Formats: sequence, structure tokens, C-alpha cells
Amino acid sequence: EAQVTQNPRYLITVTGKKLTVTCSQNMNHEYMSWYRQDPGLGLRQIYYSMNVEVTDKGDVPEGYKVSRKEKRNFPLILESPSPNQTSLYFCASSPNTGGAYEQYFGPGTRLTVT
Amino acid sequence: TQLLEQSPQFLSIQEGENLTVYCNSSSVFSSLQWYRQEPGEGPVLLVTVVTGGEVKKLKRLTFQFGDARKDSSLHITAAQPGDTGLYLCAGAPRNYGQNFVFGPGTRLSVLP
Repeated sequence: EAQVTQNPRYLITVTGKKLTVTCSQNMNHEYMSWYRQDPGLGLRQIYYSMNVEVTDKGDVPEGYKVSRKEKRNFPLILESPSPNQTSLYFCASSPNTGGAYEQYFGPGTRLTVT
Repeated sequence: TQLLEQSPQFLSIQEGENLTVYCNSSSVFSSLQWYRQEPGEGPVLLVTVVTGGEVKKLKRLTFQFGDARKDSSLHITAAQPGDTGLYLCAGAPRNYGQNFVFGPGTRLSVLP
């Protein structure tokens, strides 16, 4: 089954404790992206990757890191989480056909930083 | 300031009614997409519109892309409770790299 998977689905952590949210897709998509969704602010792009070893900042990259060492995986790293990073996070991938970037989303990771 | 604005923000209607939601921008988009999101889940792609003036139909849903490629609309005919959800428009604005932006969404509730 074609899908985007994220782990963990739920995470409660404390300020400053490094964490990684994994994202994997089995559709051989080149484009992958991370978003956060907050009430009243909608979905905002954190980082995206056009292909292996190619990453770039989205609208809200501060406090986050990513890497793209393999085509299928795009982990999101929070080196020192803070309470303002409490949010619902989505990973997405896209075949990028004709530049349309139709995206397929994972199920989400709900992160709480206390 | 949002690159994509959506209206209305909330909409509650009875089953069988028709409705239209709007997505507007001052920027030109190469294409726009519509997604539907249900609580606790990721957005699901409904359609992509690419050509200015394009109209696409998906069963009871009709999508239109403005001639100037700055706006789009979604019309639902004879809404059903299963249409309930958050409708999001999204795209990559020209002159914005490959950054992808979403509108704030229209939350639709269809009452039986």
C-alpha cells in the first residue's frame, strides 16, 4: 500500500530534550516536506527537500533540522525543543509531476513540549 | 499576512444544500490544489487545477481556477454529512521557490 508513515504518532517531552520524528514514504517520491499545524495559523511549511541531499527552509524553520540521506526517509529533528513547538506535525511527499507538487500526507505526530 | 485567503472560515448547512467556498491570493500560482482534512488525520488531495479558467468536476464537487490564476473556488452540490471536514487550498506561488503554502481552510459542517 502506497503510504507516508510517521513515528511516533504522539509524543510528550520536556524542554531541551532532543527528539527526532521519523518520516518514510514508499512511493519513490522526490519531494518531501514537513509542516506544522496550529489553531488559527493553519498548515505552515517547516522544511522541504527536492531530492536526496537537497533540503531548503520553508516558512517556519527556526528550531528545526532535517536531513535527506535516502530518498524514502526525511526525519525532523528538534535539537532543543521548547513549548512553542507544541503542535501537530505532518510529513508529506510528492511525485512533483509538472511542478504541481500534489502532496500525500502522513497521519500526523502530535507533539507536546512541557 | 497569508498568501492564500479562504472564505468563509466556517460554514454550517443542512444536507441537500449547495455551497461555494473561495480561495484568493494576490500572487499568481502555477497550480492550485484542494485538500480535505478530517479531525486527527492528514489532508487528502481532492484535485489540482493547472490552467487559468479550468473547471474540474469530481462527482458533486466542482473546482474552478481563475483566469488570472490567483483564485479558485470549490462548489458542492447537494451536500451530504460525509462532506463534513476542513477544506484547504494550497499551492506553490510563482517567484516563491518551491515553498508550498496552504490557506487557513474552510470548516464545513453538513447537518443531517
